[in-house]
Amino acid sequence: QSVLTQPPSASGTPGQRVIISCSGSSSNIGRNIVNWYQQLPGMAPKLHIYSNNQRPSGVPDRFSGSKSGTSSSLAISGLQSEDEADYYCATWDDSLRGPVFGGGTKLTVL
Amino acid sequence: DVQLVQSGAEVKKPGESLEISCQGSEYGFSNYWIGWVRQTPGRGLEWMGFIYPGDSDTRYSPSFQGQVTISADKSISTAYLRWSSLKASDTAIYFCARREWLQSPFDHWGQGTVVTVSS
Repeated sequence: QSVLTQPPSASGTPGQRVIISCSGSSSNIGRNIVNWYQQLPGMAPKLHIYSNNQRPSGVPDRFSGSKSGTSSSLAISGLQSEDEADYYCATWDDSLRGPVFGGGTKLTVL
Repeated sequence: DVQLVQSGAEVKKPGESLEISCQGSEYGFSNYWIGWVRQTPGRGLEWMGFIYPGDSDTRYSPSFQGQVTISADKSISTAYLRWSSLKASDTAIYFCARREWLQSPFDHWGQGTVVTVSS
């Protein structure tokens, strides 16, 4: 139902590398930068990756973002228990003339 | 530090009106767009609209045009989201968030306002 498509869930054990995908179209990801938000339980979303692959101050370098064509990915290496959260991709949509979000991926650290 | 502080949780009946607020501090409130985002379990995060407090330029998502009204009072660094007649389907968490220009990311978010509409 969301404009951008993410897997509903992802998981890994501590220390593993996990990748979360985000698929869009030519009117959104294909033409615009992608941002990723982390939402911890009961909290507001927080900007985690911006401009496809930039980390705000304070975000560990274990997190990295990439974009290719109409898709984007968030990679988390050296998975830690505190990484357990919902992750949302977002971008601008030229047809909507506004931001669009993915449906969110719930990351579980086993 | 930049802060966006939202008004508290609301419980309303269908047909009632409601206005929630979002007060910014520690930055030039007039110079950043404030957006409103709805979060529900079924539909996830949805952008509702923006306002630029400096000149009250307002943009709405087609899904929310005519359903809500966004306004701002730059003299008190506060943005508002208003419903004239609530529906049960308006039950959600509402976040305000700021962005420097329309296509930049939401770099700071309010804590969210839970709105419950039930008879």
